Amino acid sequence: ILNVEQSPQSLHVQEGDSTNFTCSFPSSNFYALHWYRWETAKSPEALFVMTLNGDEKKKGRISATLNTKEGYSYLYIKGSQPEDSATYLCASLMAGGTSYGKLTFGQGTILTVHP
Amino acid sequence: DSGVTQTPKHLITATGQRVTLRCSPRSGDLSVYWYQQSLDQGLQFLIHYYNGEERAKGNILERFSAQQFPDLHSELNLSSLELGDSALYFCASSVLWGGLSRSSYNEQFFGPGTRLTVL
Repeated sequence: ILNVEQSPQSLHVQEGDSTNFTCSFPSSNFYALHWYRWETAKSPEALFVMTLNGDEKKKGRISATLNTKEGYSYLYIKGSQPEDSATYLCASLMAGGTSYGKLTFGQGTILTVHP
Repeated sequence: DSGVTQTPKHLITATGQRVTLRCSPRSGDLSVYWYQQSLDQGLQFLIHYYNGEERAKGNILERFSAQQFPDLHSELNLSSLELGDSALYFCASSVLWGGLSRSSYNEQFFGPGTRLTVL
């Protein structure tokens, strides 16, 4: 994988459903993986910064896992609420090469939670 | 409120003109990043400054330039504007940057953005 890729592109769930989506990133020169939440008409807001293989982070009903060897991270939302509706962005920070020191963002997963 | 401020909020100008976008980072943050979000595009990294020095460049056009001043605020200058430059420009700041730390010290805090419309 050369770029940061997120799937699915969009997701519609019902209130109360649990959901998850994927971020794939280059595993070579991996340094850190960021997750951001971006609500419409607002700015991206940091959720997690993950650095170690096997890392698990949790903030309320949102959690994330990291596998640096295979280059993927999962974001989980338990019991989705309408206020969770947003675009969820992941971004990879690489330690070397032309991308050294800068975040490369995926295209995002647009989550819509229906009441 | 992230603590990052950007001015102006909206800017409407004509092709061929030059504009300056301004960003003030959170107090204590040494890094400033600029991003462009065009219609149907994700966040595209433009440029990063750390403590006054340019640290990384992304897909920034030669018509665009930026600088970070001693008080750590930053300006993004866009010249010879074209219709395709219409976009939302975000500034973000962090305490450090990825070259120094892989921890949450490089978590980025985004400003509200400047909406640029080129007519």
